[in-house]
Amino acid sequence: ELKVEQNPLFLSMQEGKNYTIYCNYSTTSDRLYWYRQDPGKSLESLFVLLSNGAVKQEGRLMASLDTKARLSTLHITAAVHDLSATYFCAVDMNNNQGGKLIFGQGTELSVKP
Amino acid sequence: DGGITQSPKYLFRKEGQNVTLSCEQNLNHDAMYWYRQDPGQGLRLIYYSQIVNDFQKGDIAEGYSVSREKKESFPLTVTSAQKNPTAFYLCASSISGAIQPQHFGDGTRLSIL
Repeated sequence: ELKVEQNPLFLSMQEGKNYTIYCNYSTTSDRLYWYRQDPGKSLESLFVLLSNGAVKQEGRLMASLDTKARLSTLHITAAVHDLSATYFCAVDMNNNQGGKLIFGQGTELSVKP
Repeated sequence: DGGITQSPKYLFRKEGQNVTLSCEQNLNHDAMYWYRQDPGQGLRLIYYSQIVNDFQKGDIAEGYSVSREKKESFPLTVTSAQKNPTAFYLCASSISGAIQPQHFGDGTRLSIL
């Protein structure tokens, strides 16, 4: 059974600081997604990572994928309050056939002034 | 604008009652999904459908039923057999087999009266 684990689950940061969220998964997959969710809202897609060594960046967020280690990271640079949200990673279980995603538990990020 | 519409936004269920959550998309996506989200947890897959008139159980299908009579529509019924239905329900869609991320609706919050 595919398991996806994120850590930390809660993260309180000061503005201007850097931090990394980790996403480990238990079986082979080369397709991983990062989503953002604001409280009570829907999920917004942030990144799609499709191969070993893939790196994507958007603003203060950078995501990477190491399929051999079964690890993805979401790095936050110089955090600002607007980044406060819950971040989920999700792994495609059907490997290039699309379909089922298995989600991590989410990391609740709070950026304080 | 293309998107996914979930209704209602809030729903209350009485003891022994079945309730149906609506999900409609105009993105011309083949695949549709239902997820359940409990407070502080990730999303868990209830049912998914990759083509009309076909659907598969996800990880927590017990107490739920779905239909897929039209490409645009994927309603979810929460039956009286689901003893703990209080949760946030999210519908998603995607192009079957594609790498693009799943696109999510705004969710329905279901509570027990």
